Amino acid sequence: QQPVQSPQAVILREGEDAVINCSSSKALYSVHWYRQKHGEAPVFLMILLKGGEQKGHDKISASFNEKKQQSSLYLTASQLSYSGTYFCGTEKIGAGSYQLTFGKGTKLSVIP
Amino acid sequence: EAEVAQSPRYKITEKSQAVAFWCDPISGHATLYWYRQILGQGPELLVQFQDESVVDDSQLPKDRFSAERLKGVDSTLKIQPAELGDSAMYLCASSRGVAGANVLTFGAGSRLTVL
Repeated sequence: QQPVQSPQAVILREGEDAVINCSSSKALYSVHWYRQKHGEAPVFLMILLKGGEQKGHDKISASFNEKKQQSSLYLTASQLSYSGTYFCGTEKIGAGSYQLTFGKGTKLSVIP
Repeated sequence: EAEVAQSPRYKITEKSQAVAFWCDPISGHATLYWYRQILGQGPELLVQFQDESVVDDSQLPKDRFSAERLKGVDSTLKIQPAELGDSAMYLCASSRGVAGANVLTFGAGSRLTVL
């Protein structure tokens, strides 16, 4: 079951904040976040395992609400380099095969 | 930094021809994935290998697609015959296959255009 991401696209000015959401109808084992720049491969950002767990990388952080089966990616004080498409990947509980199902992505554009 | 190698980067072919893509994962990564990404969409899993065994190929169109990973190292994805709808980016990824730490490293991808 493909996770649902929102919004589909967002345009920010440098320095502004954004939140990208990812939700699933299935119980989740983990949530992964990847960023893909135009014409390039997706690059791993972070993985969240436990309910309520929050992780951060520079000014990008994420949370995982296990009960709601939702994750949110927070981008603060956005930089031009943050532009790209962000994908969440969800790993189901009991899957056993360590398989990720990706959402359709959220296209983030940061402008000067 | 270790990388996943893929070739060719670009392939243009005519409908009904055969195409093949090659992937060499990061050394020591037991799990290998082939994803297809249509422009503007998220990656869609085609096939997953654990060592040389297929773990999941439920989304692989088996009438025309085949994949193998003979010695549990590099892998080949083949399409025969190619159809117009196969135009997409084919991404290979590998991981250690450890639950809770299953970070995927993607290759640069092979972009297929079917005319």
